[in-house]
Amino acid sequence: DAKTTQPPSMDCAEGRAANLPCNHSTISGNEYVYWYRQIHSQGPQYIIHGLKNNETNEMASLIITEDRKSSTLILPHATLRDTAVYYCIVRVRGSQGNLIFGKGTKLSVKP
Amino acid sequence: EPEVTQTPSHQVTQMGQEVILRCVPISNHLYFYWYRQILGQKVEFLVSFYNNEISEKSEIFDDQFSVERPDGSNFTLKIRSTKLEDSAMYFCASSARPTGGNQPQHFGDGTRLSIL
Repeated sequence: DAKTTQPPSMDCAEGRAANLPCNHSTISGNEYVYWYRQIHSQGPQYIIHGLKNNETNEMASLIITEDRKSSTLILPHATLRDTAVYYCIVRVRGSQGNLIFGKGTKLSVKP
Repeated sequence: EPEVTQTPSHQVTQMGQEVILRCVPISNHLYFYWYRQILGQKVEFLVSFYNNEISEKSEIFDDQFSVERPDGSNFTLKIRSTKLEDSAMYFCASSARPTGGNQPQHFGDGTRLSIL
């Protein structure tokens, strides 16, 4: 269903930058790239989103390639609390934008 | 920071019983959603709600399910006659505008529903 491809898992050392890739080669011109994460079985937490420009907020940076076919979520200084499943979502269905979640990337931050 | 709150955090119910899950969306949001996640599986969309009516629903959202905004703050999901396969985490979300239009949804921490 999801139009994104993410690696199933990644490791990152605490304090280092975590770079999570996402391929979305069939993205259409008006589709945003959204990133969410889910820690244990908590609710999905919104991180960041963008259309074509790079975006930064207090949690992360989002780098979108010029052709928009891929993007990278960057957590600049990963901590143990950033261990979670990270979802890249570009497909929203329906007029209200119902999110379609894939399997995401399980990021493990190690001491 | 405003957040979506859900109660109860855990609900245990006998099969065949009715259950109501409650959500308080972020106060200035107008679009409301329910999702569920069966243990070990993906988060799945159930229903979206705007202007006091259902906007969209998935195949999962059959006649056993209903949603309501009984007052200006609460948003509820009712399952009329629960089945074992309804056991899951149920997440409520809200957004100020439709998500397809540059507006993220914000999620609550969920209600774990266990059907015995």
